[in-house]
Amino acid sequence: NAGVTQTPKFRVLKTGQSMTLLCAQDMNHEYMYWYRQDPGMGLRLIHYSVGEGTTAKGEVPDGYNVSRLKKQNFLLGLESAAPSQTSVYFCASSFSGTKGEAFFGQGTRLTVV
Amino acid sequence: AQSVTQLGSHVSVSEGALVLLRCNYSSSVPPYLFWYVQYPNQGLQLLLKYTTGATLVKGINGFEAEFKKSETSFHLTKPSAHMSDAAEYFCAVRGSGYSTLTFGKGTMLLVSP
Repeated sequence: NAGVTQTPKFRVLKTGQSMTLLCAQDMNHEYMYWYRQDPGMGLRLIHYSVGEGTTAKGEVPDGYNVSRLKKQNFLLGLESAAPSQTSVYFCASSFSGTKGEAFFGQGTRLTVV
Repeated sequence: AQSVTQLGSHVSVSEGALVLLRCNYSSSVPPYLFWYVQYPNQGLQLLLKYTTGATLVKGINGFEAEFKKSETSFHLTKPSAHMSDAAEYFCAVRGSGYSTLTFGKGTMLLVSP
């Protein structure tokens, strides 16, 4: 099983450019999440989805948009990248219900110059 | 509301020594608690989780954690550290009825020969 797959793994953007990060899961999970990881800050939730066609804001949503058109995919978009968005981005998924753990992708390292 | 505090951003132990990583949580509803491990340049991997039932939970790689409701704690322990345990460890909480996981800021475990 592939689990949670993130594309791309690395990317360098110039300030003001846009890009989309793709997350795909093959576990038929209802819930999907996007986190960013910065040194000393742990993982902070950007946006999440509790099912196909639904999205919600997390702790740090500004500057990002998301879409969940298909159950297995969760896209994270940056419309106009800023240096403050330099980070490692992780996608995760879980079954619905609160007892289930989240399964993580390998991360996308994004640098905005 | 839910939050997690991990005491100590870095913990150093000698190989063979006891490992103790501290986690305190805050949750307005019954919590479900998780420990994850992250090796360099990788995603997060579940070590163990507490949902209901036995308060002492055993995980992979010889780790265990005890849920103490009165102390709002979920500390992670391992009797004897191995060099391969060097990694960053994250505690996370999901309150009953919540769809999102909230993470602590992480503790880097350093193991010396």
